[in-house]
Amino acid sequence: SAVISQKPSRDICQRGTSLTIQCQVDSQVTMMFWYRQQPGQSLTLIATANQGSEATYESGFVIDKFPISRPNLTFSTLTVSNMSPEDSSIYLCSAGGTGNYGYTFGSGTRLTVV
Amino acid sequence: GIQVEQSPPDLILQEGANSTLRCNFSDSVNNLQWFHQNPWGQLINLFYIPSGTKQNGRLSATTVATERYSLLYISSSQTTDSGVYFCAVEWDMRFGAGTRLTVKP
Repeated sequence: SAVISQKPSRDICQRGTSLTIQCQVDSQVTMMFWYRQQPGQSLTLIATANQGSEATYESGFVIDKFPISRPNLTFSTLTVSNMSPEDSSIYLCSAGGTGNYGYTFGSGTRLTVV
Repeated sequence: GIQVEQSPPDLILQEGANSTLRCNFSDSVNNLQWFHQNPWGQLINLFYIPSGTKQNGRLSATTVATERYSLLYISSSQTTDSGVYFCAVEWDMRFGAGTRLTVKP
């Protein structure tokens, strides 16, 4: 199954600034996913990122706020823009889905906006 | 979209006890996974199980796709089993609300 390296693992940011989160996969994957997990909640899908096309965003998430890049089959970034305290969450990326292993997740980015 | 319901929402066990966690889904699925999120937030892939039964040590899972549910069994629970257990379905991994398990020594 795919192994995903995600960074940063945590950050504390000032409101109004932006943070870019990176995920590197150890193998080529067609689809990558970005999730948000608010404190004490389940995971909510932000967007699906396919290489060579625009990301597909879920209801309630927009490209201006969460721009995503997918320059190749092993890498993706998510930017959280113009941050407010309500953006404080854990952000996770996921990839895989081939064979019988399913999807794996990065270790997450714990974001606090002050 | 597909709905995923997990039960129970919370479960407290004494070490050594057995437990069954349930995941119901509202439509047929081609993908179903069980994850354990440990107290540090790391999501661990337990089973990829769109149908059938699998076992891994003290954990096993069964998915009855025709009846739209999956079960996760934990036997002889240990304190390290504590955390939140999620099931997720379909190609874009829609998550249930999770079951929070606490195992007491």
